[in-house]
Amino acid sequence: DVQLLESGGGLVQPGGSLRLSCAASGFTFSSYAMSWVRQAPGKGLEWVSAISGASGNTYYAGSIKGRFTISRDNSKSTLYLQMNSLRAEDTAVYYCAKAPGDGNFLYNWFDPWGQGTLVTVSS
Amino acid sequence: QSALTQPASVSGSPGQSITISCTGTNSDVGAYNYVSWYQQHPDKAPKLMIYDVGNRPSGVSNRFSGSKSGNTASLTISGLQAEDEADYYCSSYARGPTLVFGGGTKLTVL
Repeated sequence: DVQLLESGGGLVQPGGSLRLSCAASGFTFSSYAMSWVRQAPGKGLEWVSAISGASGNTYYAGSIKGRFTISRDNSKSTLYLQMNSLRAEDTAVYYCAKAPGDGNFLYNWFDPWGQGTLVTVSS
Repeated sequence: QSALTQPASVSGSPGQSITISCTGTNSDVGAYNYVSWYQQHPDKAPKLMIYDVGNRPSGVSNRFSGSKSGNTASLTISGLQAEDEADYYCSSYARGPTLVFGGGTKLTVL
């Protein structure tokens, strides 16, 4: 079974940094693009970033571009999201999700998703 | 890129059919056949229900179907069941490239 387990969330002050991790199992991690999607409390889903499997092509939403960096370590089957200059509006549950393949383009759907990790930005 | 427009809520009785709309622009929904739909129960992760407008992943009931006309995509659930009560989100590939989600629709089974 494919499993995605996020970690690294927590409380951080505005302007601070946090690194999220997503440990993957049950599939050949390097053969699939991955993505991060977030959901603010009581709000809808917002796509954040994506990365291809082998080539490492990256894609970012405009709202976080320049502040967040997506990366992956295929030897550890782990996806990361480095978040800097955090703002209150970045408060959300962050989900990692698996794309259906590893093309050098932005996939438009993801399955499955992890259970998420909560990031709270507050002083 | 603005979010796609979904009705805040829809409702239906068991056995009935309901349709949730998802309206975008000619830069996203209207430009590509890359619309997907997700179901989310409270405090759970989203689950893929439809991809590429009208394709159902393995394991998803055939009571769920998707379609698109112009800048509006639709999710139809037939034979409504109590377990279908959840939030539903549409998503579309958009020029950039980027992905945009709808604001979500709360489905209530009466």
